[in-house]
Amino acid sequence: AQKITQTQPGMFVQEKEAVTLDCTYDTSDPSYGLFWYKQPSSGEMIFLIYQGSYDQQNATEGRYSLNFQKARKSANLVISASQLGDSAMYFCAMREGRNAGNMLTFGGGTRLMVKP
Amino acid sequence: NAGVTQTPKFQVLKTGQSMTLQCAQDMNHNSMYWYRQDPGMGLRLIYYSASEGTTDKGEVPNGYNVSRLNKREFSLRLESAAPSQTSVYFCASRFGTEAFFGQGTRLTVV
Repeated sequence: AQKITQTQPGMFVQEKEAVTLDCTYDTSDPSYGLFWYKQPSSGEMIFLIYQGSYDQQNATEGRYSLNFQKARKSANLVISASQLGDSAMYFCAMREGRNAGNMLTFGGGTRLMVKP
Repeated sequence: NAGVTQTPKFQVLKTGQSMTLQCAQDMNHNSMYWYRQDPGMGLRLIYYSASEGTTDKGEVPNGYNVSRLNKREFSLRLESAAPSQTSVYFCASRFGTEAFFGQGTRLTVV
């Protein structure tokens, strides 16, 4: 079974609008962490935001926020006020706890295209 | 610039050749990872090391071996390269809420 699922292979958003990228996860470990990365066409992996399973509040970093719904096992990334430079692949990842040896596994990614 | 350093950046191998991809981090992170990324795909975990002296298989370990030489270094070895191993390889290191990646190694096996 997939541990991390990103159901949107590609998305368009108008510049300056907000966009939500979906991520659902599957783990039985009570301690885990969720990461989002951006991969522009140049290929590097850029860390965006992190949410821990015990964090009470949703994580925010500038224009990025994470909509964490623990009961639904979802950790959607919200990008506010999209910019042309946001066009990239976005990956959700999960770090499981000690029971799973601290594995860090990735979803298949979503390609975001920002329209001017 | 501190962080995760991978070498080489590019490599072409003939089928059957061997090589080692090097990875070093200077952030004192415990956990290190090797991934491969095929065109248009996500990252698949090859091997990981939760701490110095330990290594574990990920999703796609066949055809690879790893060594966690010390806390800084985690190398990936292809003993007999196959065209199916043509990919971009990423090394990453993690501690707590921080997880950073190297620039990647683009490997082509002909």
